[in-house]
Amino acid sequence: QQQVKQSPQSLIVQKGGIPIINCAYENTAFDYFPWYQQFPGKGPALLIAIRPDVSEKKEGRFTISFNKSAKQFSLHIMDSQPGDSATYFCAASDNSWGKLQFGAGTQVVVTP
Amino acid sequence: GAGVSQSPSNKVTEKGKDVELRCDPISGHTALYWYRQSLGQGLEFLIYFQGNSAPDKSGLPSDRFSAERTGGSVSTLTIQRTQQEDSAVYLCASSLENSARTQYFGPGTRLLVL
Repeated sequence: QQQVKQSPQSLIVQKGGIPIINCAYENTAFDYFPWYQQFPGKGPALLIAIRPDVSEKKEGRFTISFNKSAKQFSLHIMDSQPGDSATYFCAASDNSWGKLQFGAGTQVVVTP
Repeated sequence: GAGVSQSPSNKVTEKGKDVELRCDPISGHTALYWYRQSLGQGLEFLIYFQGNSAPDKSGLPSDRFSAERTGGSVSTLTIQRTQQEDSAVYLCASSLENSARTQYFGPGTRLLVL
């Protein structure tokens, strides 16, 4: 079964809006939570990652919020642009060698 | 610099045929991963190679799937007696040993089994 549950499946926002993607997990051994961005025809690319000892991390217009007690984390895209239109995957890992458990993905469309 | 490359980019085959998918990792990356991405699904871990250690094959869905890595570099994923449910995008990723969680993905091979 899927160890990381991601929602929504898709969302559409206008330019400048803030799409929010949510992920939830059950395995308390997970200690690394990355987000990947994938454009059509390309492989996923690491966007930003967080560890459970912090509640928020920002890199440019991308922010991860992490709630350890709720076992949830989310990605916010500030001031979204049409170029941010892509599929976003959350993931989690519980071991140092990097095996990742991925969510099902969210297709984000930012309209001009 | 060169990223992870995969070939072929697309493969159409008939049910029952064998296929081989190739991955060239980033030079110097000792860890290599194979994932499968089915339509509308997330990425499913298949197999992991790290240096000379025994590979972790825990994600391979059946004994029709196998993979090898020659000389610690190029890897080949083989699917024998392909089935229609094998149709998916097969992604390869590589990473440095001391930064295994930072994985760099190739563009994938899109496999269609008719």
